[in-house]
Amino acid sequence: DAGVIQSPRHEVTEMGQEVTLRCKPISGHNSLFWYRQTMMRGLELLIYFNNNVPIDDSGMPEDRFSAKMPNASFSTLKIQPSEPRDSAVYFCASSSRRARETQYFGPGTRLLVL
Amino acid sequence: EDQVTQSPEALRLQEGESSSLNCSYTVSGLRGLFWYRQDPGKGPEFLFTLYSAGEEKEKERLKATLTKKESFLHITAPKPEDSATYLCAVSTSGGSYIPTFGRGTSLIVHP
Repeated sequence: DAGVIQSPRHEVTEMGQEVTLRCKPISGHNSLFWYRQTMMRGLELLIYFNNNVPIDDSGMPEDRFSAKMPNASFSTLKIQPSEPRDSAVYFCASSSRRARETQYFGPGTRLLVL
Repeated sequence: EDQVTQSPEALRLQEGESSSLNCSYTVSGLRGLFWYRQDPGKGPEFLFTLYSAGEEKEKERLKATLTKKESFLHITAPKPEDSATYLCAVSTSGGSYIPTFGRGTSLIVHP
């Protein structure tokens, strides 16, 4: 099992640029989660999908953030325009229908906005 | 509002020196409590799920216990490879199954 796959692993961009983070969940998992982790705020849930449908996006900081899940094997998190305060590690996680609360995390994308 | 508090924030141990990490929670109704391990530069890795007071789970040198107000992660005779950040999370009954994470305890085990 390849686990959750995220790309890119590192991203450095300039303020105002668009950033797109990508995630491939574990095959057969039907829930997908996007988290942001910083030293100041710890691990924060941004949005989660169930069966490709966004269920709760209350953690999305503002309209600059958007997420999509066009099919069961792919999701994107987009930041447009990016700001320095968006610098963080972004994790994608997935879980199965049988064990919804047990989340399997990807390696993360470390984002630095200059 | 559901709260999860982990203590201490950081812990340094000598190899072989047993200790415990604490996770206290304030929730309307506990559905499950989860422990994760996070190594530097990696995503959290699932360790245990506990569902009811009195329940215990073990894995190698780790043992997790649960009471009505808190959970402990006991580390017996730790080794340097146990160094990591340990995260606790809780999910509540009556709501979504999405866990709320604590800030974690950073553990360093010196050889």
